[in-house]
Amino acid sequence: DAGVIQSPRHEVTEMGQEVTLRCKPISGHNSLFWYRQTMMRGLELLIYFNNNVPIDDSGMPEDRFSAKMPNASFSTLKIQPSEPRDSAVYFCASSLGVDQPQHFGDGTRLSIL
Amino acid sequence: GQNIDQPTEMTATEGAIVQINCTYQTSGFNGLFWYQQHAGEAPTFLSYNVLDGLEEKGRFSSFLSRSKGYSYLLLKELQMKDSASYLCAVTGAGSYQLTFGKGTKLSVIP
Repeated sequence: DAGVIQSPRHEVTEMGQEVTLRCKPISGHNSLFWYRQTMMRGLELLIYFNNNVPIDDSGMPEDRFSAKMPNASFSTLKIQPSEPRDSAVYFCASSLGVDQPQHFGDGTRLSIL
Repeated sequence: GQNIDQPTEMTATEGAIVQINCTYQTSGFNGLFWYQQHAGEAPTFLSYNVLDGLEEKGRFSSFLSRSKGYSYLLLKELQMKDSASYLCAVTGAGSYQLTFGKGTKLSVIP
């Protein structure tokens, strides 16, 4: 059984560049979550999709961040333009519902120079 | 809003028992999750408590008291591989949000 698949695993880029992170949730899961994890702030929810619809994006830091889920098997998180303070590990997770265990991808380790 | 508190770090000896506490203050409450996260890896699900009481799953048990806003994770017969961060997370009543605590880093020593 394939788990949540994220790409790329690592990304290093210069500030000002556009960054796109990708996620394939577990088949059949209707809930998808994007998180950011840093030492200072821990694991923070950025956005939650249910049945491909964004339900809450209040955790998205600012307009430079955007997320889409064009279909049940694919989601993207985009940062444009990127800044050094965006450096973090970004996790995607999916579940069968909000009160069900979330399955996390391996994360994307993003470094903005 | 939701506020979750856990100790930052703990150390315990191999073979011993350790209890990791989590307290929360929420505007609504539905349930509490515990996740384990090894360094450099993704969080993995350990347990989910909705009702008061103790849920046992092998060497790991999780307890919840809704009236006290309190939970703990109990790890028995500690093994070196249990060295990891343990994250407490709360879902609000009628809410889809899962709010995570900052995690407790557990170090198991010989």
